[in-house]
Amino acid sequence: AQKVTQAQTEISVVEKEDVTLDCVYETRDTTYYLFWYKQPPSGELVFLIRRNSFDEQNEISGRYSWNFQKSTSSFNFTITASQVVDSAVYFCALSEASAGGTSYGKLTFGQGTILTVHP
Amino acid sequence: ETGVTQTPRHLVMGMTNKKSLKCEQHLGHNAMYWYKQSAKKPLELMFVYNFKEQTENNSVPSRFSPECPNSSHLFLHLHTLQPEDSALYLCASSQGGGSRYEQYFGPGTRLTVT
Repeated sequence: AQKVTQAQTEISVVEKEDVTLDCVYETRDTTYYLFWYKQPPSGELVFLIRRNSFDEQNEISGRYSWNFQKSTSSFNFTITASQVVDSAVYFCALSEASAGGTSYGKLTFGQGTILTVHP
Repeated sequence: ETGVTQTPRHLVMGMTNKKSLKCEQHLGHNAMYWYKQSAKKPLELMFVYNFKEQTENNSVPSRFSPECPNSSHLFLHLHTLQPEDSALYLCASSQGGGSRYEQYFGPGTRLTVT
C-alpha cells in the first residue's frame, strides 16, 4: 500500500528565511507520480508540481525548488526567501501508476505541514 | 482561479436533514473526485468518476450518495448524517482518471452536522 509521511506538523519562520518541507513516501510500484499542493486559508488546494518516478532531476520555479531522491524515497520542497503569502498548509501526495494495482489512480496525501511565515 | 466551483461554501444541517453539495468544473476535464478533509486527518478520497462512471468508492457510508450527470457536474447527496461527518468536503477534477494527471480542487464546502 502506498503511504506518504510529512513528519513536520508545523513550521514557523521569519520572512526571508529559507524553509524546507520534508516528504517521505512508500510504494511497491516502480512507476508512480509525486505531487505537492498548497492549501491557503481560503481552503482550496493549489497544484504546485508533479514528478514522475523516472525523472529525478531537481526542479526550480522561482523561489520554489524540489529535491527528488529515489534512494531515500524523499521528495522535499524548499521555499527560498519565504514571504508572508507563503503561509499555508502544504501537502505532499503520491499516485501509483500500475494498472490493476489496488491503488491505481488514487492520490494518497500526507498529513500536511502548516507553514507560518512571520513578518 | 482553478476553474472548479463548489456550492454552498458553508452548510449547517441537522442529523435528519437531506442536503446536496454541488461541484462544477469549467476545465474540460473527464474525471471528478470527492474528498473529505477532517481536522488533523489526511485528505480522504471518497469517490471517483471517470467519464461519468463511478470508478472508486472508498468504503464510504451509504448516507453519502454521489451523482455525476455529466463530466462537468458532480453532486454529493447527504442524508441522516452524524456529527463526525462534519468536515471540509473538497471536489476536484483532472484531465483523465489515471495517475499522471494532477487534480484541480475547488474551495470546498464546510459542513457542520448538529
